[in-house]
Amino acid sequence: QVQLVQSGAEVKKPGASVKVSCKASGYTFTYTGYYLHWVRQAPGQGLEWLGWINPNSGDTNYAQNFQGRVTMTRDTSTTTAYMDIISLTSHDTAVYSCARGARDGNFDYWGQGTLVSVSS
Amino acid sequence: QSVLTQPPSVSAAPGQKVTISCSGSSSNIGKSYVSWYQRLPGTAPKLLIYDNTRRPSGIPDRFSASKSGTSATLGITGLQTGDEADYYCGTWDFSLRAYVFGIGTEVTVL
Repeated sequence: QVQLVQSGAEVKKPGASVKVSCKASGYTFTYTGYYLHWVRQAPGQGLEWLGWINPNSGDTNYAQNFQGRVTMTRDTSTTTAYMDIISLTSHDTAVYSCARGARDGNFDYWGQGTLVSVSS
Repeated sequence: QSVLTQPPSVSAAPGQKVTISCSGSSSNIGKSYVSWYQRLPGTAPKLLIYDNTRRPSGIPDRFSASKSGTSATLGITGLQTGDEADYYCGTWDFSLRAYVFGIGTEVTVL
């Protein structure tokens, strides 16, 4: 069965960076039709899309709000995707989730979420 | 605020029906497929509807959706206490070149 398993919770200070991993299994990681998206939900807020990575090519597309601060990568040998965010502020406190989907959406499988807390 | 507008909350008694609207524009709903997601408390979102009207395997037909122009609607019939959750619409926005979600609608079963 398809599974996306994410790394554990992180506590960071303002200005630091964080790297969250998302290990995929149960399907062909590099299948051209599947992208890995990253979505976050801050406390009391809705869902916010950060961007996607094409695991086959490594191509990325970031939401405008996160360009320059977010980097998405993947390791095809371990079928793992990663998301790096730099220059963290308290506004980045959120649960970050990876989700499998097409290039333009339809997120059919989600990771369990990773809580990133940013506090001095 | 979100580019997709949803009501903050809807409610109905068990067995009744609720509908959730999702209003967008010509750059998103007007030219892209809409998906609906259910987020139960403390769990990952679940895909309820994709490509405007299609249900993934395992989603009961109590959940249905439609799209017209720049708006979409999710309907839940035979409401159950287990349906209490937040529901989000989502679609691709060609102007923003980004996936956008609605703010979410909390469904309460009275």
